[in-house]
Amino acid sequence: GQQLNQSPQSMFIQEGEDVSMNCTSSSIFNTWLWYKQDPGEGPVLLIALYKAGELTSNGRLTAQFGITRKDSFLNISASIPSDVGIYFCAGQLTGANSKLTFGKGITLSVRP
Amino acid sequence: NAGVTQTPKFQVLKTGQSMTLQCAQDMNHEYMSWYRQDPGMGLRLIHYSVGAGITDQGEVPNGYNVSRSTTEDFPLRLLSAAPSQTSVYFCASSYGSLFSYEQYFGPGTRLTVT
Repeated sequence: GQQLNQSPQSMFIQEGEDVSMNCTSSSIFNTWLWYKQDPGEGPVLLIALYKAGELTSNGRLTAQFGITRKDSFLNISASIPSDVGIYFCAGQLTGANSKLTFGKGITLSVRP
Repeated sequence: NAGVTQTPKFQVLKTGQSMTLQCAQDMNHEYMSWYRQDPGMGLRLIHYSVGAGITDQGEVPNGYNVSRSTTEDFPLRLLSAAPSQTSVYFCASSYGSLFSYEQYFGPGTRLTVT
């Protein structure tokens, strides 16, 4: 089946730094999603992307849908301690009821 | 709205025991699903439902049963727990389409099977 690759598994940054996360796939997706999971909580949607090349921002977050439809990235600018958590990418194929495929997630730590 | 609620938050079972993980949503969402999350793994779909009375299998359905008698509730049953079912279980609901971007997750149930 489809697989999404997120690496590295963990990232450590200093407060105030920018960080970029990548998500790649061997398959094409029509929708890319980025979720954040706080410790002990369920994932929360951050950004959704629906069109190849699309660049979308949500506050300090910016995500892009790759031109090839096989990748996406998420940037966090001017990181703050509450950015700590696990960031998942997810891809969706064609069709409204197509299932989501999730990456394994990147654990982000922010040093104050 | 409470959103998606899950009970219990933590559970320890012995191998062979059965139990039901509860999930409820008060957003009148048609679509509900169950995922499991294991260390170093992404979320994997167990079962899903497109409406009351309709359920289907996801990626890892073995060892789990579901039913959807009402729009609000979508319980997940473990008939005979195994250590391999130690995991964190998330219920999610959405409207519009099953896996639309507007998918809301519950806080999770942390299950340990000894």
